[in-house]
Amino acid sequence: ETGVTQTPRHLVMGMTNKKSLKCEQHLGHNAMYWYKQSAKKPLELMFVYSLEERVENNSVPSRFSPECPNSSHLFLHLHTLQPEDSALYLCASSQDWGEALFFGSGTQLSVL
Amino acid sequence: DQQVKQNSPSLSVQEGRISILNCDYTNSMFDYFLWYKKYPAEGPTFLISISSIKDKNEDGRFTVFLNKSAKHLSLHIVPSQPGDSAVYFCAARGFSGGSNYKLTFGKGTLLTVNP
Repeated sequence: ETGVTQTPRHLVMGMTNKKSLKCEQHLGHNAMYWYKQSAKKPLELMFVYSLEERVENNSVPSRFSPECPNSSHLFLHLHTLQPEDSALYLCASSQDWGEALFFGSGTQLSVL
Repeated sequence: DQQVKQNSPSLSVQEGRISILNCDYTNSMFDYFLWYKKYPAEGPTFLISISSIKDKNEDGRFTVFLNKSAKHLSLHIVPSQPGDSAVYFCAARGFSGGSNYKLTFGKGTLLTVNP
């Protein structure tokens, strides 16, 4: 596998469920990101990890919890989400923080 | 307040002609600009970038122009091909505080290239 891989591609969950999104990058990059894309809105940065340390948390509600166990893997743990959290969640990586991003295919999340 | 604006939600062009996608920004401290292309059901793909110290960068059929005085950049695709049909996002890099970088994206422009 090459590039940035995200699983699952699609996820439907109820408001009381707990689920996790997974991201893996095979590029040897040092920085990883979570972005949210809602309909008709720009991409919104959620979290940045640089060398496995969280360096940015863009005022994201605590029902979203990121985890970066190593430089190749990034998780987004979800719990008690709201219907307005339905969106495309994109993982990205870059060689270093601030460099060009390489995106995964995203997880299309629907919260019922 | 949107710092990166793509005012045209969509653009339709004939195959073989030039496509020009526009982007305006408000923050004069942005130092690096990027264009991404996104197909349905896929993540955005990096296309081309330009540093604020340059006014033009070319890569094959793709050229990005930067006009700092007007805070405007554009992506030219020539000749346009049907496979270029996608959503194009403009992004700008700036500082979000201290030494923290942040990419700010526009809402995107849907380009349709007709055969």
